[in-house]
Amino acid sequence: GAVVSQHPSWVICKSGTSVKIECRSLDFQATTMFWYRQFPKQSLMLMATSNEGSKATYEQGVEKDKFLINHASLTLSTLTVTSAHPEDSSFYICSARKQYEQSFGPGTRLTVT
Amino acid sequence: GDSVTQMEGPVTLSEEACLTINCTYTATGYPSLFWYVQYPGEGLQLLLKATKADDKGSNKGFEATYRKETTSFHLEKGSVQVSDSAVYFCALSLNTNAGKSTFGDGTTLTVKP
Repeated sequence: GAVVSQHPSWVICKSGTSVKIECRSLDFQATTMFWYRQFPKQSLMLMATSNEGSKATYEQGVEKDKFLINHASLTLSTLTVTSAHPEDSSFYICSARKQYEQSFGPGTRLTVT
Repeated sequence: GDSVTQMEGPVTLSEEACLTINCTYTATGYPSLFWYVQYPGEGLQLLLKATKADDKGSNKGFEATYRKETTSFHLEKGSVQVSDSAVYFCALSLNTNAGKSTFGDGTTLTVKP
C-alpha cells in the first residue's frame, strides 16, 4: 500500500510556457502532499505543503505565483510551473502523507529549453 | 530548528564489505526516523524506519537503531552488494509539524564487484 504516482515522468518544454505535473495517491487518501525539488547530487528541497481543499503553504523563498499548487481531491495534487525558464529545470518529487510517513512519487524530470 | 546530519560521501566499498553510514539529528520534539534510498533517475523509496527510542528498523539486510541518548540513527549492513549502489537519505518527521520531513544531504554509495 501507499503508492504514489507522478505524471509525466519527464517533460521538455520551451522557455515561457507552463507545465503541469500531477501527483496521485493510488491506494490511499492523502489530506497532505508535499512538493520537493532536487538538483543533481543534492538533497530534496521542500517547496510547499499541499493541503486538500485549502491553499498550499510555501516554504520561504519559493514563489507561489510561479509554482501553482492545487490539491482538489484527496488523491490528487498538481504543481504548475508557470512561465518556465531554464533555471526551473530540475527533478520534481511529490510525496503523500499517510499518518507519520511519507510515500514518494517516482519524480518528474523537467527540462526547459 | 530540526536538522539531520549525514556522513559525507561518496562511499566506495567492495562487494561483501560492511557498511555504516552515520546519521545524527536535532529535533525539538520526539521524531520518527527514516532511511530512504534513491536509485539513479528515480524517486525515494522508504528503506526502514523507527518511531521511538531503542526501536530497530530493518529491511533487505539493512538495520538502524534509534538512539535517543546519542541522537543517532546510523545505517548498517553486514555485506553489501553491487545492487546496493544508490544514494541514501536519513530523515526525521515530527507529527507536530504538519508531518514535514527534514532530510540529510544524502550519501552516495558505490559498491564495486
